[in-house]
Amino acid sequence: DTGVSQDPRHKITKRGQNVTFRCDPISEHNRLYWYRQTLGQGPEFLTYFQNEAQLEKSRLLSDRFSAERPKGSFSTLEIQRTEQGDSAMYLCASSPRDRGEETQYFGPGTRLLVL
Amino acid sequence: GDSVTQMEGPVTLSEEACLTINCTYTATGYPSLFWYVQYPGEGLQLLLKATKADDKGSNKGFEATYRKETTSFHLEKGSVQVSDSAVYFCAKNYGGSQGNLIFGKGTKLSVKP
Repeated sequence: DTGVSQDPRHKITKRGQNVTFRCDPISEHNRLYWYRQTLGQGPEFLTYFQNEAQLEKSRLLSDRFSAERPKGSFSTLEIQRTEQGDSAMYLCASSPRDRGEETQYFGPGTRLLVL
Repeated sequence: GDSVTQMEGPVTLSEEACLTINCTYTATGYPSLFWYVQYPGEGLQLLLKATKADDKGSNKGFEATYRKETTSFHLEKGSVQVSDSAVYFCAKNYGGSQGNLIFGKGTKLSVKP
């Protein structure tokens, strides 16, 4: 396994701009999760996919956030009209849930700074 | 709602000291319990897990036992090393088909030589 990869690793943007992050899960993992982590806190769940279906979204995921996983492989998380409060580390994780394995494997994260 | 509470840090220990990081969780359903570790400059890594009551997870000298009666999953290590310096996160899932994790706030451990 090559592990979960995320791109970019760092993103600096101005308030009001749109940003998009990409996550490539471990191959054959059919569940993919997005979390957000702010300084000094644990990760907070945003949304997850099983294959291409988005099964749950957290209340943290406002209308400005959208996530897709069009072919059940990689996923994108877009934030529109960014706000300074969106500054955080965005984490992606994947798991082979269908085989009864619950462990989530995390990527290195994308650190977003909104100026 | 569901939550995970872990002792706040930072925790500073001398090398070879004993470590305990307390973690308690709200008991909803039959969750699996996890400890993740984040080394400086790196991503979250699974350290150990337990999927049912009385299970003991262990890895790299760390242990934690799933205690349903006290809703706890305390992390322990008998002799810490400088290389154990990291942030440790306790987490649970919902069990069943809902797989997302709920994390504690993390405990930063610093081990001095």
